[in-house]
Amino acid sequence: DGGITQSPKYLFRKEGQNVTLSCEQNLNHDAMYWYRQDPGQGLRLIYYSQIVNDFQKGDIAEGYSVSREKKESFPLTVTSAQKNPTAFYLCASSGTGGSQPQHFGDGTRLSIL
Amino acid sequence: DAKTTQPTSMDCAEGRAANLPCNHSTISGNEYVYWYRQIHSQGPQYIIHGLKNNETNEMASLIITEDRKSSTLILPHATLRDTAVYYCIVRVFSGNTPLVFGKGTRLSVIA
Repeated sequence: DGGITQSPKYLFRKEGQNVTLSCEQNLNHDAMYWYRQDPGQGLRLIYYSQIVNDFQKGDIAEGYSVSREKKESFPLTVTSAQKNPTAFYLCASSGTGGSQPQHFGDGTRLSIL
Repeated sequence: DAKTTQPTSMDCAEGRAANLPCNHSTISGNEYVYWYRQIHSQGPQYIIHGLKNNETNEMASLIITEDRKSSTLILPHATLRDTAVYYCIVRVFSGNTPLVFGKGTRLSVIA
């Protein structure tokens, strides 16, 4: 089935550690996105990429990094510089042009030990 | 910031139509209205979108006012599984621009 796969579903990090969240899509979408969601809140944009080897910062990029080496993959690294990383992380993708909607994965819940 | 205003919460009886309003009074001519919903601990699910004409698909209907300053998402026969947070979002129709989420409307469908 076509879709967006995020792994792992739950992730635990020790203080001071970097951790990488995986996002893979087989929809042949050019654009991919990372959002963060805190309890009771809407989603906030971390980074997005409209094409391979290019990405832009969103509203809350500090403490995060991304890469886009392949069309189907857009991993997010939560670095030790992110002071409050505990959250629900959502990856999305969309096709090129027009009004194509974004489609989301099922998310990764990150917690600090 | 989100360009839409939605009620914080709504209730609907199971089997009845759920009508979720959204105000987007500052919408531009090149912006679509998108609706998503999020069931607890899952990723948002795309429902429907439209520019100025009313739209219908297998999930819902979208009614946009003639001046485009507001819209209503209609779930014709709400079920318990429709309990979720519903987000109304305006987005430029080109360039793969990211979505800007507000807090949405929490719809509770009651048996």
